[in-house]
Amino acid sequence: AQSVTQLGSHVSVSEGALVLLRCNYSSSVPPYLFWYVQYPNQGLQLLLKYTSAATLVKGINGFEAEFKKSETSFHLTKPSAHMSDAAEYFCAVSVTGGGNKLTFGTGTQLKVEL
Amino acid sequence: KAGVTQTPRYLIKTRGQQVTLSCSPISGHRSVSWYQQTPGQGLQFLFEYFSETQRNKGNFPGRFSGRQFSNSRSEMNVSTLELGDSALYLCASSLEGPAGAEAFFGQGTRLTVV
Repeated sequence: AQSVTQLGSHVSVSEGALVLLRCNYSSSVPPYLFWYVQYPNQGLQLLLKYTSAATLVKGINGFEAEFKKSETSFHLTKPSAHMSDAAEYFCAVSVTGGGNKLTFGTGTQLKVEL
Repeated sequence: KAGVTQTPRYLIKTRGQQVTLSCSPISGHRSVSWYQQTPGQGLQFLFEYFSETQRNKGNFPGRFSGRQFSNSRSEMNVSTLELGDSALYLCASSLEGPAGAEAFFGQGTRLTVV
C-alpha cells in the first residue's frame, strides 16, 4: 500500500518569502504524485502532478515540485509567497492498478503574513 | 465547460436517518470517486466508480454505498447515520486511463448529523 507524509501541519511565512511544503511518500511501485490546494469551503484544485516524465514539475500560480526518488520526497516550493497563497495544501499519491484512487497526506495549512 | 457539480451543498440530518448525495462529473469523464474529509481523519477515499462499476473501495463500513448511472452521474448513500459521519463529502471526476489522471473536485457536500 502507498502512503504520504506531510511534515508540518502548519507553516507560516512572510509575504515575499520562500514557501517550502514537505511531502514524503511510500510506495512499492512507481508512484504518481500530486499537490492539491484547498481554500475554505471549497473543493480541491490541482497545483501540479508528477507522472514519471520530468522530475522537476512546474504548476500553476508559480509553484513547482521536485521528485527525488532517493529521498522518496516531492516537496512543493514557491520562490515568493503571496497573501493569496494562504490555504491548505495536500500531497497525494496514486499507483498504476489503483484506478484513480488518491491517497492523501494530512495536509499543511499555509499562513502568509505581511 | 462545466465543472463537477455536487448537490446539495449543505445537509443536516438526524442520527439514524439515511442520506443520498449526488455528483455530476465533467462531461466526458467516466470515473467518479468519493472522499470523506474530517478534521480528525483528513481526506479518506470511499470508493471509485467507472462505467457504472465499482472499481475501488476504501475501508468504510457497509453503511456507505454508491452507484453510477449510464450518464456517469453518481450518488452515494449513507444509511443509519452516526454523529461521526458529519463531514465534507467530496466527489472527483477523471478521464479514463491509468493512474496519474488529474482528478477534478466538486465543492463538496457538508453533512451535519445531529
